[in-house]
Amino acid sequence: QSVLTQPPSVSAAPGQKVTISCSGSSSNIGNYYVSWYQHLPETAPKLLIYENDKRPSGIPDRLSGSKSGTSATLGITGLQAGDEADYYCGTWDSSLSAFVFGTGTKVTVL
Amino acid sequence: QVQLKESGPGLVKPSETLSLTCTVSGYSIRSDYFWGWVRQPPGTGLEWIGIMHHTGRTHYSVSLESRVTVSVDTSTNQLSLKMNSVTAADTAVYYCGGLTSCTRGTCAFDYWGQGILVTVSS
Repeated sequence: QSVLTQPPSVSAAPGQKVTISCSGSSSNIGNYYVSWYQHLPETAPKLLIYENDKRPSGIPDRLSGSKSGTSATLGITGLQAGDEADYYCGTWDSSLSAFVFGTGTKVTVL
Repeated sequence: QVQLKESGPGLVKPSETLSLTCTVSGYSIRSDYFWGWVRQPPGTGLEWIGIMHHTGRTHYSVSLESRVTVSVDTSTNQLSLKMNSVTAADTAVYYCGGLTSCTRGTCAFDYWGQGILVTVSS
């Protein structure tokens, strides 16, 4: 049972927008940077967002991140078939002295 | 180009010790990263296992810390994972990765290995 809660799934038609929420507490999101990862089966997870809202080189600006209080959000606009994957938020938890991943959200392109 | 590659047995018997190695190339393990392990059991999400800094600092998942050891070898630029007393519940794809500091840095897994499937079965 993760301390970071995400919706199990979100879906939208191609070209539309989806948002994925990540809900935590003051011991994690409230005091540490949030990162987001895309994970396709049998591949390495891929860093999409770091420091709440920054994109690594090569990540398109269709992806965006934000944080407010103890929650964070990943947004994907202009949805494409290639965006179908599992998405995870992650951050440090000071109560656990551990890095924690969210429960994961499956994105489906209708 | 930074590359991480896991290696080790794909099949481990129940009650035995799981041992994996991750070879890091293109980047020094002496850098200011924490190096560690994440796993994904079948049908579930990512589970963080533990990390180690080359200076010796370690952090482990509370649920696994009694059975897990993460270590780094700066002479070979490798990190390793040992997990004892494994059961079928430890069957998973295991990934190694590099995490920037969460107290002084960006707190993100910048680097990942491709993953290795480890099955616990007799």
